[in-house]
Amino acid sequence: QVQLQESGPGLVKPSETLSLTCSVSGYSISSGYFWGWIRQPPGKGLEWIGFVHNTGSTSYNPSLKSRVTISLDTSKNQFSLKLSSVTAADTSVYYCARRVGGSGTYFESWGQGTLVTVSS
Amino acid sequence: SYELTQPPSVSVSPGQTASITCSGDKLGDKYACWYQQKPGQSPVLVIYQNTKRPSGIPERFSGSNSGNTATLTISGTQAMDEADYYCQACDTSTYVVFGGGTKLTVL
Repeated sequence: QVQLQESGPGLVKPSETLSLTCSVSGYSISSGYFWGWIRQPPGKGLEWIGFVHNTGSTSYNPSLKSRVTISLDTSKNQFSLKLSSVTAADTSVYYCARRVGGSGTYFESWGQGTLVTVSS
Repeated sequence: SYELTQPPSVSVSPGQTASITCSGDKLGDKYACWYQQKPGQSPVLVIYQNTKRPSGIPERFSGSNSGNTATLTISGTQAMDEADYYCQACDTSTYVVFGGGTKLTVL
């Protein structure tokens, strides 16, 4: 059974770059699937950030596209999120998840989430 | 951009049937899926491809999708079903859209 675990700094200063890593166990990320990031501001709903396919192709939320990079590190079986020029509005719980592709796509497995606060 | 609309809240009595709707333009032409999120926990997939339940999800959870509306139905609602529920347009689009979420209260 695949397991995902987010890691990274819990506090980031405004204007800096938020960097998170998702470690995957129980499945080789180079073998298939899409690997995604979703965030949730405190007390609010889910917002899709983007995902990367095992081939390396990416898709990003248009509202975040100019600031987001998602990439794979197959040697470590990890994928990462970088979000630049952060503001307080980027304070959220960040989840990584595995997305099933095909005729009906969905996020079948999620990490536990990590809270990132943007503050000086 | 595509949008999905959910009611902010739904209330149901224990043992009764709860229905949570998700509306979007021609949503019935796509697949819909649903996630349950309890306080302090990660979302859990409860319905995918409109009507299918992942392993471990109780049979009381069911889904439908037609026209502009997808519906998550919980039959014989239990106190443990109290949670936030999010719909998603689960098609082959390269973009992912979530509904705003519905808080289900069992009282």
